[in-house]
Amino acid sequence: DAGITQSPRYKITETGRQVTLMCHQTWSHSYMFWYRQDLGHGLRLIYYSAAADITDKGEVPDGYVVSRSKTENFPLTLESATRSQTSVYFCASSEEEVGSNSPLHFGNGTRLTVT
Amino acid sequence: DQQVKQNSPSLSVQEGRISILNCDYTNSMFDYFLWYKKYPAEGPTFLISISSIKDKNEDGRFTVFLNKSAKHLSLHIVPSQPGDSAVYFCAATPRGYGKLTFGQGTILTVHP
Repeated sequence: DAGITQSPRYKITETGRQVTLMCHQTWSHSYMFWYRQDLGHGLRLIYYSAAADITDKGEVPDGYVVSRSKTENFPLTLESATRSQTSVYFCASSEEEVGSNSPLHFGNGTRLTVT
Repeated sequence: DQQVKQNSPSLSVQEGRISILNCDYTNSMFDYFLWYKKYPAEGPTFLISISSIKDKNEDGRFTVFLNKSAKHLSLHIVPSQPGDSAVYFCAATPRGYGKLTFGQGTILTVHP
């Protein structure tokens, strides 16, 4: 079934480890996004991408790296995980620039715990 | 600085009654406003949107109202159903900005 797939669904890692969260979409949407959800903060944008090989920082990019070599994939890497990065991570995509006629479509999230 | 605020962390409503979820914003450049619904262990799903040139948009049981002068929008659900129990996020973006700013979310519980 077409859509956005995130993997893994759950991940436990130790402080200082590198971890990569995967995101794959089958719609060929140009725009892709990474958000984190934390209690009291809602969803905060980490990084986004307007097309392959084009990425830019969002609201909370520190400690994260992204790449987009192919349109359908947008992996998020935590270079050296910290406890403050314990969160639920959502990948999203949109066909056009996000607006009232082009909403974001989200994956089901990855729950990451850093011990 | 929280540009989009949902000041009610939770709302409890009886089945069949109206649910009203509120959202305030500070950025006068916002042109598009969207509501998302999120069930546990799932990603948010798009519910309804409105552009700044309108003050109301309706889709079935869901209506969004926009008051630009007060920088306030609300989502009305009539009648509320137990299946509407979820977290509701409002979000906004300026035209051409390409990124959504979300509020903190409101947990809606609809009791049978």
